[in-house]
Amino acid sequence: SQTIHQWPATLVQPVGSPLSLECTVEGTSNPNLYWYRQAAGRGLQLLFYSVGIGQISSEVPQNLSASRPQDRQFILSSKKLLLSDSGFYLCAWSVVGAFSGNTIYFGEGSWLTVV
Amino acid sequence: ILNVEQSPQSLHVQEGDSTNFTCSFPSSNFYALHWYRWETAKSPEALFVMTLNGDEKKKGRISATLNTKEGYSYLYIKGSQPEDSATYLCAPGADGLTFGKGTHLIIQP
Repeated sequence: SQTIHQWPATLVQPVGSPLSLECTVEGTSNPNLYWYRQAAGRGLQLLFYSVGIGQISSEVPQNLSASRPQDRQFILSSKKLLLSDSGFYLCAWSVVGAFSGNTIYFGEGSWLTVV
Repeated sequence: ILNVEQSPQSLHVQEGDSTNFTCSFPSSNFYALHWYRWETAKSPEALFVMTLNGDEKKKGRISATLNTKEGYSYLYIKGSQPEDSATYLCAPGADGLTFGKGTHLIIQP
């Protein structure tokens, strides 16, 4: 069966510090991968998605970047965090794009607080 | 980015009562409509994926309908229980998923 893991689960970082959130998927090949964020009082926002190694699409211009160095690994990064980067980050995967009607499966989430 | 609206934003329902809420989305270029159940500090859990106009899906006491021509979907919960308390998200499928802000459902014993 397929599983998805992301870490760390909780992170408190000072403004201006770097960020790295990692996500791995097991039990499937060539998944679509996604990073979402829920900021305080807001809905779930798609940040990045990837259909293959090295292929990243950004939905929203921001202080963050994503990379996919391996087929089942997705990394969310920032060189300098802002207070507005605080939120709940979710990694997710799907077999094919959700436009095909396939379900997206989410990781456990990472709470980021920028202080 | 698709414009997805969910209403109401929050809902208080007495245990045992039935309830429903709405997801509105652009009807053009429709692919699929997803419903998720999301409890605080947990991963969103997939409930339904619907693709055809007139689709109706059911999972226990929860069901959903889809109207792609007018761009809306309803989620129904019959005989609400405390464990139904959660935020219910809808999302029309596109290259990723654009989620609505959700309906926050609180079931009062």
